[in-house]
Amino acid sequence: GAVVSQHPSRVICKSGTSVKIECRSLDFQATTMFWYRQFPKQSLMLMATSNEGSKATYEQGVEKDKFLINHASLTLSTLTVTSAHPEDSSFYICSATHRTYEQYFGPGTRLTVT
Amino acid sequence: GQSLEQPSEVTAVEGAIVQINCTYQTSGFYGLSWYQQHDGGAPTFLSYNALDGLEETGRFSSFLSRSDSYGYLLLQELQMKDSASYFCAVSTPDSNYQLIWGAGTKLIIKP
Repeated sequence: GAVVSQHPSRVICKSGTSVKIECRSLDFQATTMFWYRQFPKQSLMLMATSNEGSKATYEQGVEKDKFLINHASLTLSTLTVTSAHPEDSSFYICSATHRTYEQYFGPGTRLTVT
Repeated sequence: GQSLEQPSEVTAVEGAIVQINCTYQTSGFYGLSWYQQHDGGAPTFLSYNALDGLEETGRFSSFLSRSDSYGYLLLQELQMKDSASYFCAVSTPDSNYQLIWGAGTKLIIKP
């Protein structure tokens, strides 16, 4: 099956710093990648959709200047949380797809902002 | 608006059969997917139904009735490792492959 990696798996950073999370599709070309945020015991909240080579489409209420998304190639997308604050602490998950509705998820990144 | 309804929690006994229902109201419909998520992990794909009927994959089966806007996930011969949250998700036309997610059903399995 398709494999998606995500790095780092856990990160602790100080308030005001920026954190970059990488999402890679290892054995297929991901035409579309999704970034989600998930709070404990809640469903996935879609933050943005990115297509290779074009700007990400952000969901309502998600600050595009705070959550920078880059989808530079068919196998790599990055999410940068800029000027992180404690309320940004969450579980961030990426998923990838190649022109189908089956999404392959990365293992997630647990971000803690102190 | 667009919404999916599924029970928040279901409890079953090891070895038994459990059904997790999902009803949806969306502006369009392509198919219904099911994902499994263990605590601390990421979702993994279980099944996708675009046509009415039952799809079987090992111990798991998924059913869809488009006319009733309803589907379910059936888990047989439950094992303790099946304890997880299960999410239904709908794909719609013109959505750039996005999914509309249900809130998830936590499946608790007792020995």
